[in-house]
Amino acid sequence: QAVVTQEPSLTVSPGGTVTLTCGSSTGAVTSGHYPYWFQQKPGQAPRTLIYDTTNKHSWTPARFSGSLLGGKAALTLSGAQPEDEAEYYCLISYSAARVFGGGTKLTVL
Amino acid sequence: EVQLVESGGGLVKPGGSLRLSCAASGFTFSNAWMSWVRQAPGKGLEWVGRFKSKTDGGTTDYAAPVKGRFTISRDDSKNTLSLQMNSLKTEDTAVYYCTTGCHSWGQGTLVTVSS
Repeated sequence: QAVVTQEPSLTVSPGGTVTLTCGSSTGAVTSGHYPYWFQQKPGQAPRTLIYDTTNKHSWTPARFSGSLLGGKAALTLSGAQPEDEAEYYCLISYSAARVFGGGTKLTVL
Repeated sequence: EVQLVESGGGLVKPGGSLRLSCAASGFTFSNAWMSWVRQAPGKGLEWVGRFKSKTDGGTTDYAAPVKGRFTISRDDSKNTLSLQMNSLKTEDTAVYYCTTGCHSWGQGTLVTVSS
């Protein structure tokens, strides 16, 4: 089974910009891996922010965007707010399975 | 509004079985690829498996740790997704979430495997 890697933790200042990345042990992440991004706050179910690399749901704040960067999937937060402090997970699709990354704990400080 | 409500969680002994259900509403269930995702206490998310829509083949895929022990089924007439879990291990202890192809999520149901 493939391994999906994320930064364990990142810190961003309020109003600042931060990029989270998501890599695959099988090689470069491409649009064909249909990367997803999720936000999860303590005690809550996950919430899907980005799907299929760049697509947003109606509830996704405009300050979040998805892309491919240097062979990885990326989630960029521009103009961080205190309420963005959370755990963020990516999900990569392979031919017969999907694999989550280990998560990035984002601190807004 | 999409609603997913899981049920059936509880305490079960190692080697035992449990069946989870997910009641879906607010969307065309028969067209949706449905998935189960779990989260062990204090740990990250783990994809468990999925059931594709019948128009896309109606097949299932499973993660390696549960393959051969877990079975996902669906009843499109009742808008219900199920997860039959057999030969349960302590490491299967987790909150189990039902999702619409990882877009919308239920609130989860806790499964505890312990003697």
